[in-house]
Amino acid sequence: DSGVTQTPKHLITATGQRVTLRCSPRSGDLSVYWYQQSLDQGLQFLIQYYNGEERAKGNILERFSAQQFPDLHSELNLSSLELGDSALYFCASSVEGERDQPQHFGDGTRLSIL
Amino acid sequence: EDQVTQSPEALRLQEGESSSLNCSYTVSGLRGLFWYRQDPGKGPEFLFTLYSAGEEKEKERLKATLTKKESFLHITAPKPEDSATYLCAVQAKVANSGYALNFGKGTSLLVTP
Repeated sequence: DSGVTQTPKHLITATGQRVTLRCSPRSGDLSVYWYQQSLDQGLQFLIQYYNGEERAKGNILERFSAQQFPDLHSELNLSSLELGDSALYFCASSVEGERDQPQHFGDGTRLSIL
Repeated sequence: EDQVTQSPEALRLQEGESSSLNCSYTVSGLRGLFWYRQDPGKGPEFLFTLYSAGEEKEKERLKATLTKKESFLHITAPKPEDSATYLCAVQAKVANSGYALNFGKGTSLLVTP
């Protein structure tokens, strides 16, 4: 058990809809990262938050947004969903946002767009 | 641009048959090379961090090594429970103050009894 909790585990919805994925980091970790994993692309970095502030952006679509709350949990919002958004979405956390600390991953949310 | 390439894509071993997985990388200023294990339906599980060429880390039947251009994950006398996908990642700087892991596509390892 990594200590990172993601909910829900599975999400099935339709094109054009909006969903929210939730992540609770490990106790004491200030930094949260979101990744997307698809069969053809592998794990792709989306966005990082550190202590409530956005720190870095990767290949995140404009239809996607995230935030980190004062209690350090994070939410990833996906809107105007398309079939291609079907993937596993992982959250990871680490102690700090800048040093070479390992990131610890949750078990992901599997998003299926019908 | 930072790149991580893992080989082979898939590997099938008999129980007890030792082998190595390869991770080649190009990165401007290595800040850490990470190995993860991922089981089906689960998130990546952290195994090792290597920071500089010549460094080695061991955990049970696994040993990770690092050179200036690649890393190897050696699996000694594997057991069926070592079957998983092994992911390699380098830490890359993103924007002015952020860091992200740049992952390879992984090696899928199957160990048969």
